[in-house]
Amino acid sequence: DAGVIQSPRHEVTEMGQEVTLRCKPISGHDYLFWYRQTMMRGLELLIYFNNNVPIDDSGMPEDRFSAKMPNASFSTLKIQPSEPRDSAVYFCASSLKWDRKNEQYFGPGTRLTVT
Amino acid sequence: KNQVEQSPQSLIILEGKNCTLQCNYTVSPFSNLRWYKQDTGRGPVSLTIMTFSENTKSNGRYTATLDADTKQSSLHITASQLSDSASYICVVNRNDYKLSFGAGTTVTVRA
Repeated sequence: DAGVIQSPRHEVTEMGQEVTLRCKPISGHDYLFWYRQTMMRGLELLIYFNNNVPIDDSGMPEDRFSAKMPNASFSTLKIQPSEPRDSAVYFCASSLKWDRKNEQYFGPGTRLTVT
Repeated sequence: KNQVEQSPQSLIILEGKNCTLQCNYTVSPFSNLRWYKQDTGRGPVSLTIMTFSENTKSNGRYTATLDADTKQSSLHITASQLSDSASYICVVNRNDYKLSFGAGTTVTVRA
């Protein structure tokens, strides 16, 4: 299994531009999570999906952020317009289930730099 | 205030030595506690998952303990190797599956 796949691995963009991050979860996993990691705030859960349906988006910082999961094998996290404070590493993770014992598998992350 | 506090923030140990990382939490109600290892430039990898009824869980040279009464957990690394150099993150899961993350402890193992 290839694991969770994210693209791009690095993204540098100018303030005000739209940014789209992509994720392919592990095949057969019902749950997909988007995280953000910064030095100041550590890891933060932004949103998670179950069977392609957003369940909890309370971690999404602003309306500039949106996430979609059009099918079981693809999800996007979009930032529009981007700001320098959005610079962070964004991780996608997937899980077969989401209960007390199930593992989450993280992708390699996308390092976003907004200048 | 963060509901999951980790200590120390960082530590340096010699190869072959043991070390213990601490995690104190105030999250309630509690469902499970997870320790992740994150290598530089990579995503976190799960080491252990413990529910409130479990006191200890091992994964190779990693042993996690949990005291749900005092809301404390520790991660013990035995006979450290250079590959153990990483950030170790404590994550507490509430019954409603909200996650609370610690800031992590950065471990550096030197030859």
